[in-house]
Amino acid sequence: AQTVTQSQPEMSVQEAETVTLSCTYDTSESDYYLFWYKQPPSRQMILVIRQEAYKQQNATENRFSVNFQKAAKSFSLKISDSQLGDAAMYFCAYRSPDNYGQNFVFGPGTRLSVLP
Amino acid sequence: DGGITQSPKYLFRKEGQNVTLSCEQNLNHDAMYWYRQDPGQGLRLIYYSQIVNDFQKGDIAEGYSVSREKKESFPLTVTSAQKNPTAFYLCASSISAQKREKLFFGSGTQLSVL
Repeated sequence: AQTVTQSQPEMSVQEAETVTLSCTYDTSESDYYLFWYKQPPSRQMILVIRQEAYKQQNATENRFSVNFQKAAKSFSLKISDSQLGDAAMYFCAYRSPDNYGQNFVFGPGTRLSVLP
Repeated sequence: DGGITQSPKYLFRKEGQNVTLSCEQNLNHDAMYWYRQDPGQGLRLIYYSQIVNDFQKGDIAEGYSVSREKKESFPLTVTSAQKNPTAFYLCASSISAQKREKLFFGSGTQLSVL
């Protein structure tokens, strides 16, 4: 079974600085999707960014970008120019290639604090 | 605006009582999911449904039941057999259960035991 690990339970960053959240996963598949979701204090889960495993180019969404290292099974999230609104729990998730619904695996999350 | 509506936002359960959490979506999505979130942990899958009138157990289905009689609705019942029901419950949907589809989430229901 696939597993997702986020080794940093908590992190903090100064406003306007850059921070990187780590995620590693375990899989024997070659084709899959990876996601970063943000959960602010409202607890609404919001998609931040999505990466397709067969694409070598790292995904970017405005201030958010990923460093996808397929061989190392690593999928880190970089937040540039951090803002107070970025403070949230961040979950890394893996979606396996099978067609069943039981195919989304979430990591335990990293709580990010943004310091003014 | 399309989205997923969960109700109630807060729910309290008495000993031996069954309670039902509502989840409605108007996104015309085929697949729907229920996740449980405990403090300091990620999301764990309770049940999922790929199409109407079909649903499958997830990793922690014991003590829970679901139905999928309509495409837009996927209610979750927390039965008295669930001995530790206090948690935050999230409903989600996706266009289909295909690998490329992201999950859309509702705003959640916090269930507590009285």
